[in-house]
Amino acid sequence: DSGVTQTPKHLITATGQRVTLRCSPRSGDLSVYWYQQSLDQGLQFLIQYYNGEERAKGNILERFSAQQFPDLHSELNLSSLELGDSALYFCASSPSGTSGGYEQYFGPGTRLTVT
Amino acid sequence: GQNIDQPTEMTATEGAIVQINCTYQTSGFNGLFWYQQHAGEAPTFLSYNVLDGLEEKGRFSSFLSRSKGYSYLLLKELQMKDSASYLCAVSPQYNFNKFYFGSGTKLNVKP
Repeated sequence: DSGVTQTPKHLITATGQRVTLRCSPRSGDLSVYWYQQSLDQGLQFLIQYYNGEERAKGNILERFSAQQFPDLHSELNLSSLELGDSALYFCASSPSGTSGGYEQYFGPGTRLTVT
Repeated sequence: GQNIDQPTEMTATEGAIVQINCTYQTSGFNGLFWYQQHAGEAPTFLSYNVLDGLEEKGRFSSFLSRSKGYSYLLLKELQMKDSASYLCAVSPQYNFNKFYFGSGTKLNVKP
């Protein structure tokens, strides 16, 4: 158990819908990262927040957005869902705002299925 | 652009040694990470290299050559539980945490 929690574990929804994925980082960690993992694309970095502020952006679609709240939990919002958005979404946390040597602790993931 | 290459799949025998290679081309470099991921589970951290050389941690070692854009993960005394995907990840810039992961190498350990 990494100490990172994600809810829900599974989510099934229809195309065009909007969903929210939730992540609580390890106690004391200020950084939250979001990743998408699909079978054909591997693990793709989406976005990083540090202490409430966006720090880095990866291959995140405009239909997706995220935020980190004062209690440090984070939410990833996915809208106008398409079949291709079906994937495993991971949240990870680390104590640092920079990547220098700090490992990331991954949550168990949310499996999103868009039908 | 960022390019990270790993072999797709490898097979090795229990008790043997296996080396998983990773080559990368990124704009700037802040370190290279190796993660292990069992099927359907979250990745777990194995190692971090930022300077050239070998980092050893128990049965696992990781090597980095910055000039060659090359790393490898060495697994010794293979066990069946080592069957998993091994992900190479590069952080291209300091202060900006855009991690780029390779597609992963699926390692099959056979008895």
